[in-house]
Amino acid sequence: EAGVTQSPTHLIKTRGQQATLRCSPISGHTSVYWYQQALGLGLQFLLWYDEGEERNRGNFPPRFSGRQFPNYSSELNVNALELEDSALYLCASSPGQVGDQPQHFGDGTRLSIL
Amino acid sequence: RKEVEQDPGPFNVPEGATVAFNCTYSNSASQSFFWYRQDCRKEPKLLMSVYSSGNEDGRFTAQLNRASQYISLLIRDSKLSDSATYLCVVRGSSYKLIFGSGTRLLVRP
Repeated sequence: EAGVTQSPTHLIKTRGQQATLRCSPISGHTSVYWYQQALGLGLQFLLWYDEGEERNRGNFPPRFSGRQFPNYSSELNVNALELEDSALYLCASSPGQVGDQPQHFGDGTRLSIL
Repeated sequence: RKEVEQDPGPFNVPEGATVAFNCTYSNSASQSFFWYRQDCRKEPKLLMSVYSSGNEDGRFTAQLNRASQYISLLIRDSKLSDSATYLCVVRGSSYKLIFGSGTRLLVRP
């Protein structure tokens, strides 16, 4: 069974540009979560999508947004990039609101802002 | 106060040692608890869920104390391959995971 896949692996942008990160969940999983892990910091929750809807949002500005497609894959968009957006962005999936299900993570997209 | 707090370490132990990590959480309504392992520059991977009755998986034992809002992970007979950062993770009613900042373990020969 394929795990959570993320693309691209690395992304280099400059300040003010826009970045799009993609995630495909494990087959059968309907929930997708996005996290930011900046250097030296823990994972910070960004967004949660389930069944195509945004269910919860972390403490990030509106220039962080995303969506979930009918096939449950997801995009994270970051507009007006700032230097402090440089981080590893991790996507995780779970079977949705079904009991006590842990999340499974992809390898991440490393976003570097120059 | 952070929602999930862990001692950052590093814990530097010899092979074969027993090591314990602790974690406290602030939200008494938290419903699920996990330990994840993260290797350097890699994604977190689920190590084990933590149940109220305590649970064991090989050399790893996890305990939960809801009254004290405290979670622990015990690793027996440490291996070199156990060197990693161990993340304490708590899930509240909103299904989002709250991660601790991690405890770094270094197992030396």
